[in-house]
Amino acid sequence: QQQVKQSPQSLIVQKGGISIINCAYENTAFDYFPWYQQFPGKGPALLIAIRPDVSEKKEGRFTISFNKSAKQFSLHIMDSQPGDSATYFCAASMGNAGNMLTFGGGTRLMVKP
Amino acid sequence: DAGITQSPRHKVTETGTPVTLRCHQTENHRYMYWYRQDPGHGLRLIHYSYGVKDTDKGEVSDGYSVSRSKTEDFLLTLESATSSQTSVYFCAITGTSGYNEQFFGPGTRLTVL
Repeated sequence: QQQVKQSPQSLIVQKGGISIINCAYENTAFDYFPWYQQFPGKGPALLIAIRPDVSEKKEGRFTISFNKSAKQFSLHIMDSQPGDSATYFCAASMGNAGNMLTFGGGTRLMVKP
Repeated sequence: DAGITQSPRHKVTETGTPVTLRCHQTENHRYMYWYRQDPGHGLRLIHYSYGVKDTDKGEVSDGYSVSRSKTEDFLLTLESATSSQTSVYFCAITGTSGYNEQFFGPGTRLTVL
C-alpha cells in the first residue's frame, strides 16, 4: 500500500524554469514532510522539510507548499539549473524521531541547459 | 554523509548464500534504519533500531534480520539471499533536531545471481 503518491515520474525543464513536483498522502497522522535529493550513486540528501503548522517554507530556490485539507504537498524549484538534475523523493512520517519515513516513488528531473 | 559509512559498497553473491551488510556511524545517534531502494518504489524500510539490542520490523522485513550490539554499528543480514533481494541498501540515522530528520549513508549495491 503506497501511502505517498508522487508525480510526475520524470520531468524535463529548461534552465531558468520552474520545476514542480507533487505528492499526496493518505495518513492524516503524518506531520512531517521532507524532500530528498539524490544524485546517481549517492545516498538521498535531505533538501527541505515542512510541518503542517505552516503552508509554505522556502530555502533559497527551493519551496515546499503544503495543503493540509487536500493532503498534498509540492516542491517548487525556482530558476532551475542543470546542477539540479537529480531524482527527488518526497516522504512523510509522524514527526517524532524513530518513526519510519514513507517515501513517494521518486521524480527524475532533468534540467536542460 | 552525517558520519555514516556502509560496507561493502558493492557486492555480488549467489542465491542461497548469507550476506551481511554493515552500517557504521560516528556520532552516537540513537536511531538507525535500513532501507532498500528499487525503481518505482522509492525507499522502503526494512528494519530499524532505537538502541543497542532494540530493533523492530519495517515495511519489508521478510528475509532480513538485523543486529545492533554497539551504538555505532547496525548490521543487516540476508540469511539466504534471493534474486528479489537485489537492490541498493541504505542505512540512515535520525539527527538531533527532535524531528524525524533522517540522514542517509552512501549505500550498498547488492546483486544476487
